[in-house]
Amino acid sequence: EKVMTQSPATLSVSPGERAILSCRASQSISNNLAWYQQKPGQAPRLLIYGASTRATGIPARFSGSGSGTEFTLTISGLQSEDLAVYYCQHYNNWPAGGTFGPGTKLEIK
Amino acid sequence: QVQLQQWGAGLLKPSETLSLTCVVYNGSLSDYYWSWIRQPPGKGLEWIGEVNHRGSTNYNRSLKSRLTMSVDTSKNQFSLKLSSVTAADTAVYYCARRYIRFGDPFWGYWGQGALVTVSS
Repeated sequence: EKVMTQSPATLSVSPGERAILSCRASQSISNNLAWYQQKPGQAPRLLIYGASTRATGIPARFSGSGSGTEFTLTISGLQSEDLAVYYCQHYNNWPAGGTFGPGTKLEIK
Repeated sequence: QVQLQQWGAGLLKPSETLSLTCVVYNGSLSDYYWSWIRQPPGKGLEWIGEVNHRGSTNYNRSLKSRLTMSVDTSKNQFSLKLSSVTAADTAVYYCARRYIRFGDPFWGYWGQGALVTVSS
C-alpha cells in the first residue's frame, strides 16, 4: 500500500506571499493525486486533481504540479481566508480507493 | 448542484453497530460511486469505502470485515453500517461523491459530516 507524507506539518506565511506545500508518495503514483482544503469545522473541498487540474471554481492562484512521487501545491498571493489544513490524496481505480496524507496546516502570519 | 445530507446516531457503546444514511438532492445515484470518509477528532482523513447505484461496493481492506454499505434508489440515499465499534471508531463521518461521472475516486461533493462518538 502506498504511503503519503506531507511537509511541512505547519507552514506560516504572510498575506500576499506564496505558500509551497509538498506531498510525497512511497512509490510512483503517476499523476493520480488530488489536493483538498479543509477549513475549521467544514468538510474538505477539492482543489486539484490529476496533480495539476483545478476543480471548478478554484482560483488560479492555487496550482498543483509534480508526478511520480513528488508533488507540490502552490498558493500564490496568500489571503487570510486560505487559513486551513491541506491534504493530498492518492487515488486508485483498481483496487478502488484513496489514501490521504497527514495534512499541512497553513497559518497566516 | 448536487447536495448530500447525512444523519445517524451520534453516541454508541462499544460493540454496537454504527449506522449512517446520506440522501442525495439535485442528482441521481446513477453513474457514480458514493463514498464514506471519516476523520477522528484532530486527525486526518480515512476513506472507508464506496457503493454504486447497483449496490456494488469497494471497501477499505482494514475495515472490510465490519462494513456493510447499501443503496436505496427509491429514496435516493445510501447507507453505512460499521459493526463492533470501539473508541477508535470515534470520528466525524462524511458521505461524498466522486467528482467526475465514471471517474477516479477523488471527491468533489461532501455531506456536512456527522460526529459519531463511541464511549461506554
